Amino acid sequence: GDSVTQMEGPVTLSEEAFLTINCTYTATGYPSLFWYVQYPGEGLQLLLKATKADDKGSNKGFEATYRKETTSFHLEKGSVQVSDSAVYFCALSEEYGNKLVFGAGTILRVKS
Amino acid sequence: DAMVIQNPRYQVTQFGKPVTLSCSQTLNHNVMYWYQQKSSQAPKLLFHYYDKDFNNEADTPDNFQSRRPNTSFCFLDIRSPGLGDAAMYLCATSLGPDGGYTFGSGTRLTVV
Repeated sequence: GDSVTQMEGPVTLSEEAFLTINCTYTATGYPSLFWYVQYPGEGLQLLLKATKADDKGSNKGFEATYRKETTSFHLEKGSVQVSDSAVYFCALSEEYGNKLVFGAGTILRVKS
Repeated sequence: DAMVIQNPRYQVTQFGKPVTLSCSQTLNHNVMYWYQQKSSQAPKLLFHYYDKDFNNEADTPDNFQSRRPNTSFCFLDIRSPGLGDAAMYLCATSLGPDGGYTFGSGTRLTVV
């Protein structure tokens, strides 16, 4: 079945550092790809998405590009802030289905 | 604002005592989902409704049931909660595969 693999955390960075969280996927067809963020004790918030190859999703300084050739959707941010500390989930939505499949999540800790 | 609302935010139940979690939406989305998220893990899909069509995941325990009396509401019933059912339960909605998913804030269930 479809699956998502994320880099293991926790990722610990200093404020203003560059962030990359790797995400690769396995899917039949052409899934949509998502990054969700979860703050402690909260539900999931959509951070960004891309629905087709070469699309770039962006929001709040975060970016990710749908790379079909490498089946990847890596999350990047040029300068992280302490407030970015959270758990980040990469996910895919099956092309002809209704399910959202999540990666294991990556904890990000940003120190001031 | 259109949203997904879960009540209550925190629920404590006794071992073996039936409990119901509720979810409502004002988005008029066709699809509603229930996910279980245990500590430091990815959300795991329990089941979803496409309109009135119920879809159970193969590995969802029989102890978990769901009802969707109308478009706006969906309930998760746990017939006999065990200690292993303590988790965050997330409700989500979507219009379909590319429609995007909206999550509620979750209900954290404690079993004592």
